[in-house]
Amino acid sequence: AQKITQTQPGMFVQEKEAVTLDCTYDTSDQSYGLFWYKQPSSGEMIFLIYQGSYDEQNATEGRYSLNFQKARKSANLVISASQLGDSAMYFCADISGAGSYQLTFGKGTKLSVIP
Amino acid sequence: EAGVAQSPRYKIIEKRQSVAFWCNPISGHATLYWYQQILGQGPKLLIQFQNNGVVDDSQLPKDRFSAERLKGVDSTLKIQPAKLEDSAVYLCASSLVSSGQETQYFGPGTRLLVL
Repeated sequence: AQKITQTQPGMFVQEKEAVTLDCTYDTSDQSYGLFWYKQPSSGEMIFLIYQGSYDEQNATEGRYSLNFQKARKSANLVISASQLGDSAMYFCADISGAGSYQLTFGKGTKLSVIP
Repeated sequence: EAGVAQSPRYKIIEKRQSVAFWCNPISGHATLYWYQQILGQGPKLLIQFQNNGVVDDSQLPKDRFSAERLKGVDSTLKIQPAKLEDSAVYLCASSLVSSGQETQYFGPGTRLLVL
């Protein structure tokens, strides 16, 4: 069974600074995908970035980048130039398994951006 | 492009009552998911549909929960009778197809409080 571990329940970052949110995964599948979602207080899960297990380069989407270290089974999210609007819960998730491609989520990290 | 729509946004009921949630996925998305998110945790899959067929309902408490996706578009999730532990956010998501690389897009969720 897949397992996602996010060891940081809460993080603080100064506005305009960069922050790294940790995520480790545990899967025996060769083919899998890793996702990061943002959940503001409004409740909607907003897709941020995706990394496939066979992708050789780290994924980037604007201010978001994914530091993918396959041997260590880690997929950390890096947010550059933090903004006040980045304050939210952040969830790491993986997807694998033939037929039922369900997302397995970690418990999340609450990020607070300080002005 | 319109996102995933859900209603109602909030619902308060007493235990043993019944409740239903509605979801309209992104146009053209064949796969629809219902997730349950209990406070302080990541979302957990309840049921996955591919068009109007069930792909995975292994984590759906079938003694009280039911879901359908008639005509392969809209979906309803029902709880009857509700228990206190059903208090959670119910998230609907959709994706173009069911695969390990396909992003799931979430709706705003329905916050259920069972008293």
